[in-house]
Amino acid sequence: ETGVTQTPRHLVMGMTNKKSLKCEQHLGHNAMYWYKQSAKKPLELMFVYNFKEQTENNSVPSRFSPECPNSSHLFLHLHTLQPEDSALYLCASSHPVGKYYGYTFGSGTRLTVV
Amino acid sequence: SQQGEEDPQALSIQEGENATMNCSYKTSINNLQWYRQNSGRGLVHLILIRSNEREKHSGRLRVTLDTSKKSSSLLITASRAADTASYFCATDERPGNTPLVFGKGTRLSVIA
Repeated sequence: ETGVTQTPRHLVMGMTNKKSLKCEQHLGHNAMYWYKQSAKKPLELMFVYNFKEQTENNSVPSRFSPECPNSSHLFLHLHTLQPEDSALYLCASSHPVGKYYGYTFGSGTRLTVV
Repeated sequence: SQQGEEDPQALSIQEGENATMNCSYKTSINNLQWYRQNSGRGLVHLILIRSNEREKHSGRLRVTLDTSKKSSSLLITASRAADTASYFCATDERPGNTPLVFGKGTRLSVIA
């Protein structure tokens, strides 16, 4: 385990469903991130939270809704997704954005939209 | 937007050989990082090199950075089958505090 825990590991959902992805870290990090990884594409940054404040929304469709109740927890709420949203969703954490630290990633949630 | 781009896209070598992967980027950076990803898993941070550094070592890993050419290389010496994975470079942009942007990665296969 890396210290960043993502649940569930796998998720299959219909296009009309509502589900949530959860990410938790107890590393004392203040920044948390959601990335999307699709086949044959670079990792796409979706959202950034720095000290619980959203500092970046990388033109993500509104069917993805992030929530960061505290520095240790990050959620990604999903509703009315499309099949092209099927991907590996990765959560990461780090010390504050802009400092010289590496990111710690969770193992990801493999999402399939049917 | 994609900042780093790794080359080659795929690399296959015999166990014991050295593996070299390259990364090119577009803008000025504060630091460049290399990550490894085993199939279907999260990324693992390997090494960070600051923009004022030219070379860094960590175990069997050697990273170089050439800011004039906006490029970096990752060398894995005496490769092992367990090194089989995808390797990504990531950069943050200068000035300001920006999150990391990743390339598409190099898929390394080490054959025993």
